[in-house]
Amino acid sequence: QVQLVQSGAEVKKPGTSVMLSCQASGYTFTNYYIHWVRQAPGQGLEWMGVINPSGGSTTYAQKLQGRVTMTRDTATSTVYMELSSLRSEDTAVYYCARGRGGWLKNWFDPWGQGTLVTVSS
Amino acid sequence: EIVLTQSPGTLSLSPGERAILSCRASQSVSSNYLAWYQQRPGQAPRLLIYGASSRDTGIPDRFSGSGSGTDFTLTISRLEPEDFAVYYCQQYGSSPELTFGGGTKVEIK
Repeated sequence: QVQLVQSGAEVKKPGTSVMLSCQASGYTFTNYYIHWVRQAPGQGLEWMGVINPSGGSTTYAQKLQGRVTMTRDTATSTVYMELSSLRSEDTAVYYCARGRGGWLKNWFDPWGQGTLVTVSS
Repeated sequence: EIVLTQSPGTLSLSPGERAILSCRASQSVSSNYLAWYQQRPGQAPRLLIYGASSRDTGIPDRFSGSGSGTDFTLTISRLEPEDFAVYYCQQYGSSPELTFGGGTKVEIK
């Protein structure tokens, strides 16, 4: 079955960086975009950006431009998301999700299980 | 950027009742590119509806989506115990920023 498995929880200090992974299985990795969405504690969902695993092209939310980088490894069907200059407001559960539809016209299915990132001094 | 406003914030209902959730967009959503998700506590969101009214595979037919332009609705015809959760709408017609509504919590009355 189609599955996205994410890396484990992270605790980081302000100003540092975090890299999360999302490994896909059960489908052809390069045929679907992968998005990252985050959810602060008790809050709603925020789209962060998308990567095309086929060519590696990316689009990021304007709010996160300059701090977020998405990459992929086609050999292991894994997507990575690095967020730098962490601040307390980045504390959230981070989800990867497979995009269905055309480039930048995606709905999300399925979602990974989520990774909690805590930013604290 | 299209802003999605969901209402009500919380819906208090009993099992067996009908739930009607609203999602209003700040501008027209092209091609009715709107999806609905369910999120249970401690779980990742789950896709229910895409294209405003297309139910995803395996989603019970008590869930239905409707609407066009700026006004969309998710209806749960008869609430089951597992349906008490938070529901989000998402638009994907306006790129590059994909946006979500703030969510509606359906709670047991």
